[in-house]
Amino acid sequence: AQSVTQLGSHVSVSEGALVLLRCNYSSSVPPYLFWYVQYPNQGLQLLLKYTSAATLVKGINGFEAEFKKSETSFHLTKPSAHMSDAAEYFCAASYNQGGKLIFGQGTELSVKP
Amino acid sequence: EPEVTQTPSHQVTQMGQEVILRCVPISNHLYFYWYRQILGQKVEFLVSFYNNEISEKSEIFDDQFSVERPDGSNFTLKIRSTKLEDSAMYFCASSDLGTGPMNTEAFFGQGTRLTVV
Repeated sequence: AQSVTQLGSHVSVSEGALVLLRCNYSSSVPPYLFWYVQYPNQGLQLLLKYTSAATLVKGINGFEAEFKKSETSFHLTKPSAHMSDAAEYFCAASYNQGGKLIFGQGTELSVKP
Repeated sequence: EPEVTQTPSHQVTQMGQEVILRCVPISNHLYFYWYRQILGQKVEFLVSFYNNEISEKSEIFDDQFSVERPDGSNFTLKIRSTKLEDSAMYFCASSDLGTGPMNTEAFFGQGTRLTVV
């Protein structure tokens, strides 16, 4: 079955430290991949997406993600965390023409001063 | 900036009652979706809607659920007889055709928190 797995339901980093949020997908056919962010009491906002044009994808707010087919991964990184990055992050995959998204469990990012 | 809007933001209903969750997708979008997130669980796909008909639905989307685009701007999710386990955050989303819905960004609303008591 197609699935998306996010390792770590809660990640805590210090302000200025590297952010690494992990995402793996399960499929022999690489899907299209997305990272969404959800701030408290808000909807899901797209951070970035992989659509096979480039394996390193840059998104908003300084985030980027690298698609690695050999590892079936699409980890999200940011070199230096800001307090404003504290939110829930969702990795999602689209496998079919209907655009249905399959979401990972979500990772809550906390940023300590 | 265009956005997806959902109303109400929070609805409390008694078990067995019918509820209608409303969404106004972005105006030039063609694909519409409903997702739900039970507290502490992952976001789950419910249904997709294109060209005035359901294009795909999940196992969750049983006969108690229905969707409608009544007037060309609203997109609604109806739950006929709510159960306690229907308590969740319900998200509406829409996307345009672009180069294909698979790789086109879905824009999400802020969600409706449904509480069934």
